[in-house]
Amino acid sequence: GNSVTQMEGPVTLSEEAFLTINCTYTATGYPSLFWYVQYPGEGLQLLLKATKADDKGSNKGFEATYRKETTSFHLEKGSVQVSDSAVYFCALSALTGANNLFFGTGTRLTVIP
Amino acid sequence: DAGVTQSPTHLIKTRGQQVTLRCSPKSGHDTVSWYQQALGQGPQFIFQYYEEEERQRGNFPDRFSGHQFPNYSSELNVNALLLGDSALYLCASSGLTGVTEAFFGQGTRLTVV
Repeated sequence: GNSVTQMEGPVTLSEEAFLTINCTYTATGYPSLFWYVQYPGEGLQLLLKATKADDKGSNKGFEATYRKETTSFHLEKGSVQVSDSAVYFCALSALTGANNLFFGTGTRLTVIP
Repeated sequence: DAGVTQSPTHLIKTRGQQVTLRCSPKSGHDTVSWYQQALGQGPQFIFQYYEEEERQRGNFPDRFSGHQFPNYSSELNVNALLLGDSALYLCASSGLTGVTEAFFGQGTRLTVV
């Protein structure tokens, strides 16, 4: 079956610190991988995606590389800002389409000045 | 361009009642999926609608049903509400063909008392 295991939170970092949020997956076939972000009181927003092995998704300074050999899609950012405080979800989509997403449990990030 | 819109934003229902939630997809999207996000958890896939038919379904009981209209908007109905149905219900839209982004609405917060 399909599943996503995500690093437990919460994570608290000082501004300008380096961020890593681990994500590993189990999937049949060749999934696409996503990171979504949820700001307080809002719905989910797509942060970045990768559709095949070795692809690197990037957006707003965040990056994640689709590693098939380790079944991982870790999220990284070199220098976090207070505005990055949110809940981050790793997700996968089976080959059949992007709208049947399997999500991890989410990691709450708090960045302090 | 309006994104995905959901109504109502908040709802309080009594155990045993029925509820209908509504979703209008992003312009140009023909596929709508519904997710349930319990507090502190990642969203869980309920079902997906395309061409007015349920195409995929997650592990949810028959009390959860839906509908898609010719203009691609969708409803989620939940019968015989249980306390455990209290959650944020998210609607996501996308195009079915290929792997595309899923755009999420801000959700409907359902509280069952």
